[in-house]
Amino acid sequence: AQSVTQPDIHITVSEGASLELRCNYSYGATPYLFWYVQSPGQGLQLLLKYFSGDTLVQGIKGFEAEFKRSQSSFNLRKPSVHWSDAAEYFCAVGASSGNTPLVFGKGTRLSVIA
Amino acid sequence: DTGVSQNPRHKITKRGQNVTFRCDPISEHNRLYWYRQTLGQGPEFLTYFQNEAQLEKSRLLSDRFSAERPKGSFSTLEIQRTEQGDSAMYLCASSLDGRIVDTIYFGEGSWLTVV
Repeated sequence: AQSVTQPDIHITVSEGASLELRCNYSYGATPYLFWYVQSPGQGLQLLLKYFSGDTLVQGIKGFEAEFKRSQSSFNLRKPSVHWSDAAEYFCAVGASSGNTPLVFGKGTRLSVIA
Repeated sequence: DTGVSQNPRHKITKRGQNVTFRCDPISEHNRLYWYRQTLGQGPEFLTYFQNEAQLEKSRLLSDRFSAERPKGSFSTLEIQRTEQGDSAMYLCASSLDGRIVDTIYFGEGSWLTVV
């Protein structure tokens, strides 16, 4: 069965500092991986996705993520965090066929301090 | 592209009442999903449709939950005899064609509070 683990429940970073949010997945076949962001009381916005090819993927808002099959990881990074990045971040895994719905991690809440 | 639209955005209901949420997917999207999200948790899959066919409903939380997509366009999620534990955000999402993996777009969600 698919599963996603986001080990960090809450992370606080200073504005301008770099950020890495961890995501580990468990899936028997080739995973398709996603990062979504959710602002309080809002729906989810797609940041980036990995389907195949280059293991370093670029997303919106200056985010990137690297797929490491050997570590079953898909960590999200940003070189310089802005106050507006404060939100909840969710990693999700899906199947190539599309017949298995996305499975989400429990999320990491990001706080940004001045 | 107007995005996935959900309404109502907020619903407060008394325990035991029935509630219905509506979702209008992105117009050309064939696949429609319902998820539930409780505080501090990630979205939890409930059910999904390919056009009007409901392909998976075993994850619906109980027989009080039902979903329809009668014409393959909008969908409704109904919760009968609501309980306080049903309080959550109900998210709808859609994708172009579920037969291949594709980006899933989410709506803003419908908040349910059962008092």
